[in-house]
Amino acid sequence: SQTIHQWPATLVQPVGSPLSLECTVEGTSNPNLYWYRQAAGRGLQLLFYSVGIGQISSEVPQNLSASRPQDRQFILSSKKLLLSDSGFYLCAWNRGPTDTQYFGPGTRLTVL
Amino acid sequence: DAKTTQPNSMESNEEEPVHLPCNHSTISGTDYIHWYRQLPSQGPEYVIHGLTSNVNNRMASLAIAEDRKSSTLILHRATLRDAAVYYCILRDPRSGAGSYQLTFGKGTKLSVIP
Repeated sequence: SQTIHQWPATLVQPVGSPLSLECTVEGTSNPNLYWYRQAAGRGLQLLFYSVGIGQISSEVPQNLSASRPQDRQFILSSKKLLLSDSGFYLCAWNRGPTDTQYFGPGTRLTVL
Repeated sequence: DAKTTQPNSMESNEEEPVHLPCNHSTISGTDYIHWYRQLPSQGPEYVIHGLTSNVNNRMASLAIAEDRKSSTLILHRATLRDAAVYYCILRDPRSGAGSYQLTFGKGTKLSVIP
């Protein structure tokens, strides 16, 4: 069966510090991968998606970036965090673009 | 994706049925109706989806109006574990690059009373 992992589970970072969140999927190959953010009390916002290694599509311009160095690995990064980057970051995967998306457990990021 | 409208919140007593409504008056003929839910401090999980006919699975039932401008997610017996935010989302498999995106609105927060 397929599983999706995210780490860390929680993170507290100062403003201006770098960020690296990792997502890995097991039990499937060539998945579509997604990064979402949920700010406190708000809905989920799609940040990036990837249909293959090295292929990244950005949905919202901001100081975050994403990379896909391996087939089942998706990384969310920032060079300098802002207070507004605080939120719940979720990684998801699916096989086809409109197939069910399966979400990871999430990373709760607090920027102070 | 076409827009959906859901009530902000609903309450249900435990072990009673729950009917969660969703309006989607601008739905196109190729839009599928998907439902996800998000338990507290967790990622969303898929519940059910349909196109025109009513659908049943182990989690819930989906009743779709004949004109497809509204739908209702039915939980047959609410449990405390069903307390979550429920999202109704329209997805068009023919929308090209846009088909990758799940557009989450604010959803309906369901509270289950013991």
